[in-house]
Amino acid sequence: ETGVTQSPTHLIKTRGQQVTLRCSSQSGHNTVSWYQQALGQGPQFIFQYYREEENGRGNFPPRFSGLQFPNYSSELNVNALELDDSALYLCASSLESWGSHEQYFGPGTRLTVT
Amino acid sequence: GDSVTQMEGPVTLSEEAFLTINCTYTATGYPSLFWYVQYPGEGLQLLLKATKADDKGSNKGFEATYRKETTSFHLEKGSVQVSDSAVYFCALSDPNNQGGKLIFGQGTELSVKP
Repeated sequence: ETGVTQSPTHLIKTRGQQVTLRCSSQSGHNTVSWYQQALGQGPQFIFQYYREEENGRGNFPPRFSGLQFPNYSSELNVNALELDDSALYLCASSLESWGSHEQYFGPGTRLTVT
Repeated sequence: GDSVTQMEGPVTLSEEAFLTINCTYTATGYPSLFWYVQYPGEGLQLLLKATKADDKGSNKGFEATYRKETTSFHLEKGSVQVSDSAVYFCALSDPNNQGGKLIFGQGTELSVKP
C-alpha cells in the first residue's frame, strides 16, 4: 500500500510568483486535506477536497486554491506569493470526509518565498 | 470556535523518565481527539486517537484518555527513549463539522537525553 506522497520536496519562489504543489493520496482514499505549517507552529487547515469538490475551507484568502482529480490526487495553487506564505505545506488523505476517519499525512513540501 | 491548547516546550527528559504532555480543548460538539508526532524533517504520523469520552488511545507505549469533564487528552508514557525525541501535536476534529478538519495545538517539542 503506497502512502501519501507530495512533490516537490522543496521549492524557492519570489514574492508575487505563483506555485503549484502536488499530492497523491493513499490508495483507496477519496478525501484530501491541505494544511500550512509555519515554523514552530501547529498545522493550519487550508481546505479539503472530497470526490473532486471543495468540502470545507479554513481562514485562507482566495489566492489559495485547489483541485482534486478523478484519481483523487490533488493540487494546491497559491497566487501572488507573499513572504508569509513561507511554510511547510502538508497534504493528508482519508477514507471519507465525515466521521472520525484518520488522516494520513505526506512528508510535506517546504516552500520558501524570498 | 474550537481550539486546542498544549503545554509549552521544549520538554527535556532523561531516558526512562515518565512523560506527560498536557492537552486541553474547547469544542462545541463531540470531537474526536488525536495525538500526532512529527520527527525532524518529516510529516505528521498518527500516534493514537480516541473518539468518545473515557476512551483510552494507546500505541507504542504512549497512551491518552479522553476526559470530557476536564476537556483534556493528556499524553503519557511510562519510560521514554531517545528515539521518542520529536514534536508532539494534540488535535481535534468534529466529525459533524466541516468534513472533520483537524485543529491542532501549537506542538510540544520533546528531547530525550541518554
